[in-house]
Amino acid sequence: DSGVTQTPKHLITATGQRVTLRCSPRSGDLSVYWYQQSLDQGLQFLIQYYNGEERAKGNILERFSAQQFPDLHSELNLSSLELGDSALYFCASSEAGLFYNEQFFGPGTRLTVL
Amino acid sequence: AQSVAQPEDQVNVAEGNPLTVKCTYSVSGNPYLFWYVQYPNRGLQFLLKYITGDNLVKGSYGFEAEFNKSQTSFHLKKPSALVSDSALYFCAVRDTRDSNYQLIWGAGTKLIIKP
Repeated sequence: DSGVTQTPKHLITATGQRVTLRCSPRSGDLSVYWYQQSLDQGLQFLIQYYNGEERAKGNILERFSAQQFPDLHSELNLSSLELGDSALYFCASSEAGLFYNEQFFGPGTRLTVL
Repeated sequence: AQSVAQPEDQVNVAEGNPLTVKCTYSVSGNPYLFWYVQYPNRGLQFLLKYITGDNLVKGSYGFEAEFNKSQTSFHLKKPSALVSDSALYFCAVRDTRDSNYQLIWGAGTKLIIKP
């Protein structure tokens, strides 16, 4: 158990809908990262937050947004969902946004868009 | 530009044999290198990292990796493979010149250990 929790574990929804994925980092970790993992595109970095502030942006679509709250939990919002958004979404956390810190991953949320 | 390459989509090894999963990288500064493993239907788990110092890094589950600066490689190795090592392995690198501290991920290598 990495100490990172993600809810829900599974999510099934329809095209055009909006969903929110939630992540609680390990105790004491200030950085939160969001990743998308699909079969054909591997692991894609979406966005990073550090202590409530956006730190880095990857291949995140404009339909997606995220935030990190004062208690350090984070939410990833996915809107106007398309079939291609079906994937595993992982949250990871690290102690700080430093070069040498490894990331600890949650179990993921499996999103299915029908 | 920063990049990581895992040239093999899949590696097949017989149980008890040594295994190697290859990783090469390209950065403009110094690299900080990481290996992660993903078991089926699970999140990624950190295996080991190279920051500085000894080029041979030892990690979890008997894995080790060798940093080779001249070949810009960081191959993952284990002397004797177990069936339970079957999983997806990811190499990742941070470039010390990247002020965003972004971790660049390889595409992953599926390791299959046959009994």
